Amino acid sequence: GAVVSQHPSWVICKSGTSVKIECRSLDFQATTMFWYRQFPKQSLMLMATSNEGSKATYEQGVEKDKFLINHASLTLSTLTVTSAHPEDSSFYICSLAGGPLEQYFGPGTRLTVT
Amino acid sequence: AQSVAQPEDQVNVAEGNPLTVKCTYSVSGNPYLFWYVQYPNRGLQFLLKYITGDNLVKGSYGFEAEFNKSQTSFHLKKPSALVSDSALYFCAVRDPRDDKIIFGKGTRLHILP
Repeated sequence: GAVVSQHPSWVICKSGTSVKIECRSLDFQATTMFWYRQFPKQSLMLMATSNEGSKATYEQGVEKDKFLINHASLTLSTLTVTSAHPEDSSFYICSLAGGPLEQYFGPGTRLTVT
Repeated sequence: AQSVAQPEDQVNVAEGNPLTVKCTYSVSGNPYLFWYVQYPNRGLQFLLKYITGDNLVKGSYGFEAEFNKSQTSFHLKKPSALVSDSALYFCAVRDPRDDKIIFGKGTRLHILP
């Protein structure tokens, strides 16, 4: 299966700053990637669908101006949390659609906003 | 809308006993169903999936799941639990129209030695 990496694996930032999280497909060209967030002891919630070369599609209730997604190439999608607040602290996971009925998940990035 | 429900927040099973983690689904059209496992501070690991065919699906680490259309269920099972099976398990459904995967709330499985 496709290998998906995320960087950083863990980041701590101060309130009000912005943080960029990278999601890379190491051996697969992905036209579509997904971003999820997971609060402690809760399920994964889909935030947005990242489409290579076009604007991301956000799920209802997700602020597109706060969570900036860029999918500039077939192997890289980035999620930038702008003006981060403590309530943005979460586990962010990306995935890519590796063909029909296959989806591969990254290891996740833990964001802590102080 | 596609959805899955995991009625149990936590399941405790003694090591060596069979285990079942429950999942029911609601989909329009043919269901594409998945089970994933998540260990602490780790990403998701794929266990198995049902697309079509045999109702009993075999997956990784000795897990299997039974698709039951009449009961709209897709319960995860293993004949003999190991302590190392302790983790968080997610049932999920995939919308074939846009590839989105919708997750259940998760069930924490504790295997007691």
